[in-house]
Amino acid sequence: DTGVSQNPRHKITKRGQNVTFRCDPISEHNRLYWYRQTLGQGPEFLTYFQNEAQLEKSRLLSDRFSAERPKGSFSTLEIQRTEQGDSAMYLCASSHSPGTGATGELFFGEGSRLTVL
Amino acid sequence: AQTVTQSQPEMSVQEAETVTLSCTYDTSESDYYLFWYKQPPSRQMILVIRQEAYKQQNATENRFSVNFQKAAKSFSLKISDSQLGDAAMYFCAYRSSVRNYQLIWGAGTKLIIKP
Repeated sequence: DTGVSQNPRHKITKRGQNVTFRCDPISEHNRLYWYRQTLGQGPEFLTYFQNEAQLEKSRLLSDRFSAERPKGSFSTLEIQRTEQGDSAMYLCASSHSPGTGATGELFFGEGSRLTVL
Repeated sequence: AQTVTQSQPEMSVQEAETVTLSCTYDTSESDYYLFWYKQPPSRQMILVIRQEAYKQQNATENRFSVNFQKAAKSFSLKISDSQLGDAAMYFCAYRSSVRNYQLIWGAGTKLIIKP
């Protein structure tokens, strides 16, 4: 396994357009996370999945944002009607569930950078 | 709510010297985890070191070690024998043992290595 993969790496779009990002996690990981990172800041939690179930969503995830993980493998993050404030790096990470024998360490992808003009 | 504060936006160190990055956090919980992550330019975030709050012994990973002061809610990272490849943004992060799906992050410290 080569790690967490995110596509596209860069996306430039005009305000009002829809964009979709894809994340392929490490195959044996049951958890998948989406974070958003703006310049000069640490990442902010958006949402996470355990297998195919979306178990938690941040208040940052407005109704224009939707995330799916249909088969418990890859995930997509869609942003509808993009706004300039959506410009950020969108990070995906995966992990085992923390617990006996597993630390729950997050493994990150390289991120998808969104620029909204 | 938990918060993580990194008060040093930027630090620089001479190659082969030692540098310490600071992190403080605020929580009312007694059981949690603390992490230092490294983010090189245009590269993914990678875990440097992890500390469980219930362990009194400070974690060490090769040239990286932490000074964990639970009562003071302080978690600093020491990098010994700094190398050019250590240049990166370093983020301190907190994870509750209850809400174990969410990392709460500091704003980061940019580490510059002078050759």
